[in-house]
Amino acid sequence: SQTIHQWPATLVQPVGSPLSLECTVEGTSNPNLYWYRQAAGRGLQLLFYSVGIGQISSEVPQNLSASRPQDRQFILSSKKLLLSDSGFYLCAWSVARRKAFFGQGTRLTVV
Amino acid sequence: AQKITQTQPGMFVQEKEAVTLDCTYDTSDPSYGLFWYKQPSSGEMIFLIYQGSYDQQNATEGRYSLNFQKARKSANLVISASQLGDSAMYFCAMREGLISGTYKYIFGTGTRLKVLA
Repeated sequence: SQTIHQWPATLVQPVGSPLSLECTVEGTSNPNLYWYRQAAGRGLQLLFYSVGIGQISSEVPQNLSASRPQDRQFILSSKKLLLSDSGFYLCAWSVARRKAFFGQGTRLTVV
Repeated sequence: AQKITQTQPGMFVQEKEAVTLDCTYDTSDPSYGLFWYKQPSSGEMIFLIYQGSYDQQNATEGRYSLNFQKARKSANLVISASQLGDSAMYFCAMREGLISGTYKYIFGTGTRLKVLA
């Protein structure tokens, strides 16, 4: 069966520090991968999506970047975090017409 | 412009009553999918129901049904016989880009539902 792993679950980082959130999918090949951010009590904002290795589409220009070094690995990064980067980050995957499956999320607090 | 609009930031419903959560969408893609997800306080995203743009009948999944009105571009979620455990944030989402192969999932801002005992 397919599973998605996202870590860490919680992260507190100082302003100006780097960030690396990792997401891996098991049990499927060539998934579409997504990173979303959810501000407290708000909706999900699509940050990046990828349809294949090395193919990254950015939805919102910001302080973050994404990479897909392997078929089932999706990484969200920042060189220098801002206070406004705080939020709940969700990784998701889908295949073709199927529903998106979500990871458990990472709650990031930038202090 | 908003592609998915949920106009109800919060809703209350009495236990055992039915409730409708509104969702309208905007797309020029001829083939798309519409989804509803539930997000309890834990933060996990729970898939509830799916409607394809070419589906002739409204989707149903247990107590959940999707009132799909294509001409009006609306995809409202109906929860029948509400339970206390239904209290959560509900998101409407659209998957477009099937023709181009981009498969983007766009979410609305959500509706927070509170079921009252």
